[in-house]
Amino acid sequence: GENVEQHPSTLSVQEGDSAVIKCTYSDSASNYFPWYKQELGKGPQLIIDIRSNVGEKKDQRIAVTLNKTAKHFSLHITETQPEDSAVYFCAAGTRTASKLTFGTGTRLQVTL
Amino acid sequence: KAGVTQTPRYLIKTRGQQVTLSCSPISGHRSVSWYQQTPGQGLQFLFEYFSETQRNKGNFPGRFSGRQFSNSRSEMNVSTLELGDSALYLCASSPDRATDTQYFGPGTRLTVL
Repeated sequence: GENVEQHPSTLSVQEGDSAVIKCTYSDSASNYFPWYKQELGKGPQLIIDIRSNVGEKKDQRIAVTLNKTAKHFSLHITETQPEDSAVYFCAAGTRTASKLTFGTGTRLQVTL
Repeated sequence: KAGVTQTPRYLIKTRGQQVTLSCSPISGHRSVSWYQQTPGQGLQFLFEYFSETQRNKGNFPGRFSGRQFSNSRSEMNVSTLELGDSALYLCASSPDRATDTQYFGPGTRLTVL
């Protein structure tokens, strides 16, 4: 089955700096890659997603890149703010399997 | 549109009991997936329902079951609770498939004593 690895497990950056979280997947059939942000006591919130026919997608300070050949995708957050502090999860899925496999999460802390 | 709602939000049970959790998807969404989240295992897929049928199932024992109603609302049941079942149970809905944009509810925190 699909396996998703996520690094780093914790990341501390200063406000205004950029943060990068990387994930690799194993199933070449995976074609959907969402990123979720989870704050304490809440469910995961979708922040951005990308499909395999696209190499990069950007939404304001957040961008995701996908390298299908290397089977890895990354989340980039620019100009980080304290409210970006949370746990971030990557996931991979295939339309036929209709399920998502999640990475182990990255705890991002943005310090003042 | 209202988001995904889950009830109850918190639950305390003892070993051997059974529990039923409820999920109401976003209006118009027909796919409902359930996940278990624990500090040790992370987010693990339990099962997905679509049009009242289980379409996919994760690697969990038969004590974990679910169902979906004609209005797309879903319930999951855990029988003969074990201490290791303590977790946050998350429900997510999407229009058609789990690989459509999937939205999560706030979860039900289950504690087994």
